Amino acid sequence: DAMVIQNPRYQVTQFGKPVTLSCSQTLNHNVMYWYQQKSSQAPKLLFHYYDKDFNNEADTPDNFQSRRPNTSFCFLDIRSPGLGDAAMYLCATGGFTNEKLFFGSGTQLSVL
Amino acid sequence: SQQGEEDPQALSIQEGENATMNCSYKTSINNLQWYRQNSGRGLVHLILIRSNEREKHSGRLRVTLDTSKKSSSLLITASRAADTASYFCATDAGNNNDMRFGAGTRLTVKP
Repeated sequence: DAMVIQNPRYQVTQFGKPVTLSCSQTLNHNVMYWYQQKSSQAPKLLFHYYDKDFNNEADTPDNFQSRRPNTSFCFLDIRSPGLGDAAMYLCATGGFTNEKLFFGSGTQLSVL
Repeated sequence: SQQGEEDPQALSIQEGENATMNCSYKTSINNLQWYRQNSGRGLVHLILIRSNEREKHSGRLRVTLDTSKKSSSLLITASRAADTASYFCATDAGNNNDMRFGAGTRLTVKP
């Protein structure tokens, strides 16, 4: 019973071609996160939503945008992917108390 | 930016041995959590320890927290081959709900 679902599992895009990654949740959690994880590195927080309030990390490039149209869905838009944006993108959700995050299986993005 | 460092970066042990991983962080925290990640998958929550706690147990897991040193350790006892994974600590640095991860320890348990 998947609770945080990311689609697609693998995404291939071309250099400079916009791409959107999606995440949905059935947990009704207030907080949704997007992390970028490169090989053998820690997940790096890009931004998160607390309900509709968007919180961007200071070092997240402008190339990365996010949308949360409702509680269940959150999207990561990469406007002009570069080769350096190839990574695993992880979506996670958390409740108000932030005591446990639930992760999706991730989307592995390749940029050609 | 990441919250802290973990050591060792990689740890290889035999099945049945204990594995200890350490995590350091930089700012005051409300709680510290440990997560496990199998290769190419999402992270799975293992255990949480609050800032006013010093030790916590869950099955074969034992977590300690030293807020004066801004460090935590995760002990896995009687390790199994299935424990092979990367282990990350995560902290919430304040009231902004942002959860940041340490660099992680890659654990290999040889059968």
